Amino acid sequence: QVQLRESGPGLVRPSQTLALTCTVSGGSMSTTGYYWSWIRQPAGKGLEWIGRLYSSGTTDFNPSFKSRITLAFGTSKSQFSLQMTSVTAADTAVYYCARDKGDQFDSDGYPYPIRAFDIWGQGATVIVSS
Amino acid sequence: DIVMTQSPDSLAVSLGERATINCKSSQSILYTSNNKNYLAWYQQRPGQPPKLLFYWASTRESGVPDRFSGSGSGTDFTLTISGLQAEDVAIYYCQQYYSTPQTFGQGTKVEIK
Repeated sequence: QVQLRESGPGLVRPSQTLALTCTVSGGSMSTTGYYWSWIRQPAGKGLEWIGRLYSSGTTDFNPSFKSRITLAFGTSKSQFSLQMTSVTAADTAVYYCARDKGDQFDSDGYPYPIRAFDIWGQGATVIVSS
Repeated sequence: DIVMTQSPDSLAVSLGERATINCKSSQSILYTSNNKNYLAWYQQRPGQPPKLLFYWASTRESGVPDRFSGSGSGTDFTLTISGLQAEDVAIYYCQQYYSTPQTFGQGTKVEIK
């Protein structure tokens, strides 16, 4: 059973870089069909998708963040990371890593992606403050 | 970006009664090739990550009680809790995965009356 766990500094200074790691256990990030995402949630507010990483290394980003974020696999490929540059107080949030449900195949074998998130980490609180 | 708008922002329902949450997308999220709506529903209890309830708008995730149901198509969707239980107190979110960036509704808080 795949499990995710976020880790990283809980406090980041303004204008610095936020760096978080998601560790995957119970499964392989090399399995095709799944995207690995970062999602954040400011205290008392809603959910915001940041970006995602595919097993091939392909990435997609929310345009709201595109110029500031980098997603990458770790050296062991049981981890993936988020780096966000030039942070401000507005980046204070709980950051979740999540995996989607992958592809569903029709009778002809054509894949339809289910980009709903069925596996989540517990979240990492990041505070941006001097 | 597709904007997801939920209503109401909050509701209080008596135990055993029905709770209805609406979600409206700014454009259709029905993919005509497979006739599926690219919509998910989540439940988030305090201090917990969201939990997936439904995908394809009405396909119940494994382990989700059948008092929960999802419906709708195109741009208008509904999550219904038939017979509210105390453990259903949470914030509920809809999410579209029709296009990138995937976007969420603002959430609906369900409480006990």
